[in-house]
Amino acid sequence: DVKVTQSSRYLVKRTGEKVFLECVQDMDHENMFWYRQDPGLGLRLIYFSYDVKMKEKGDIPEGYSVSREKKERFSLILESASTNQTSMYLCASSQGVNGNTIYFGEGSWLTVV
Amino acid sequence: SQQGEEDPQALSIQEGENATMNCSYKTSINNLQWYRQNSGRGLVHLILIRSNEREKHSGRLRVTLDTSKKSSSLLITASRAADTASYFCATDANDDMRFGAGTRLTVKP
Repeated sequence: DVKVTQSSRYLVKRTGEKVFLECVQDMDHENMFWYRQDPGLGLRLIYFSYDVKMKEKGDIPEGYSVSREKKERFSLILESASTNQTSMYLCASSQGVNGNTIYFGEGSWLTVV
Repeated sequence: SQQGEEDPQALSIQEGENATMNCSYKTSINNLQWYRQNSGRGLVHLILIRSNEREKHSGRLRVTLDTSKKSSSLLITASRAADTASYFCATDANDDMRFGAGTRLTVKP
């Protein structure tokens, strides 16, 4: 089975801190995604990546950056965390996109105080 | 922007009843997928329907797709309490996946 592992399930960070959310997939998938999920807003795409060192902005990239130095790992970085970034963050991967299943991690609950 | 929009936002039914959720989208798509999310967990793939298909079945799930109306529906028959979850449609029109806000289904025992 495909496994997408998010390094932290729950985090509490202070405003202004730099935050790293790590995600690893074990199926050699080309595509990886970071979504943010808030009540009533569903999943919103932050960034995605087609390949190592490649990244594309999603719908809400402001305040975030990403890094993909290795194919299996996709990191989401909050350069200076703010309270409005308190949310659940979901990492996902797929082998291509069209017609392919996206596999999700269990999510990381980030609280910024 | 979100591509799919689910309707209703919330649905509450009794065990044994059927549950129907709808999804509308804005642009042409290649495929449409439905996912399920248990509270506080990641999403799990349920079923995919391609743009040239009109209906697909998987166990108690039935999905329809009407590309002329840009809409899809997910029917869960003979619902169980364990079906309680949020259900999302996702479309892959532009080499990425966009999800709607989801339908929260509650099945009462």
